[in-house]
Amino acid sequence: GQQLNQSPQSMFIQEGEDVSMNCTSSSIFNTWLWYKQDPGEGPVLLIALYKAGELTSNGRLTAQFGITRKDSFLNISASIPSDVGIYFCAGPPLIQGAQKLVFGQGTRLTINP
Amino acid sequence: DVKVTQSSRYLVKRTGEKVFLECVQDMDHENMFWYRQDPGLGLRLIYFSYDVKMKEKGDIPEGYSVSREKKERFSLILESASTNQTSMYLCASSLDRAEQFFGPGTRLTVL
Repeated sequence: GQQLNQSPQSMFIQEGEDVSMNCTSSSIFNTWLWYKQDPGEGPVLLIALYKAGELTSNGRLTAQFGITRKDSFLNISASIPSDVGIYFCAGPPLIQGAQKLVFGQGTRLTINP
Repeated sequence: DVKVTQSSRYLVKRTGEKVFLECVQDMDHENMFWYRQDPGLGLRLIYFSYDVKMKEKGDIPEGYSVSREKKERFSLILESASTNQTSMYLCASSLDRAEQFFGPGTRLTVL
């Protein structure tokens, strides 16, 4: 099935640094979702975006719905050890209907002590 | 808070066994989903359900079946488990928007 292009695939940063990752698609989305998955656990929803251009924050996390409706960005400010994990973007492309999601391959975040 | 629970966190089964994975959600969600997650392949949709007794195939339904007799419960069945079904299985539910809420996952090993 269709997948989103998520980059980077992995990031190695120092504690305290800011993090940016993005997700792109050839299809238009009307919703963008960002999840975080800890090892051995299920994904947890971090942020949901519903309108093109929308900028939404959740604590140190900020996500944006791209104007073209084909991309989204997630930023993490002042990273801390518990930010380690895999971050996924997801969304229901218009051609698939409202309920099914397609997922990015994930960005693995590692924080060096 | 939405709570999605899965019957087992870890499961070890033998080839040929019939395997049941249970998922329960407590938020009266209409939609429920079963995914498997494998390294390098991401999350892949196996089956989903929009209502009780209703099911639709996802991207990789072969070797699996599902059952939804009650709104809160969605079961994934491996009729005859095979080693290539060793994976992390994730259940999710959603209401009328796109946000899906995931359970903790079941790591299944088929020997």
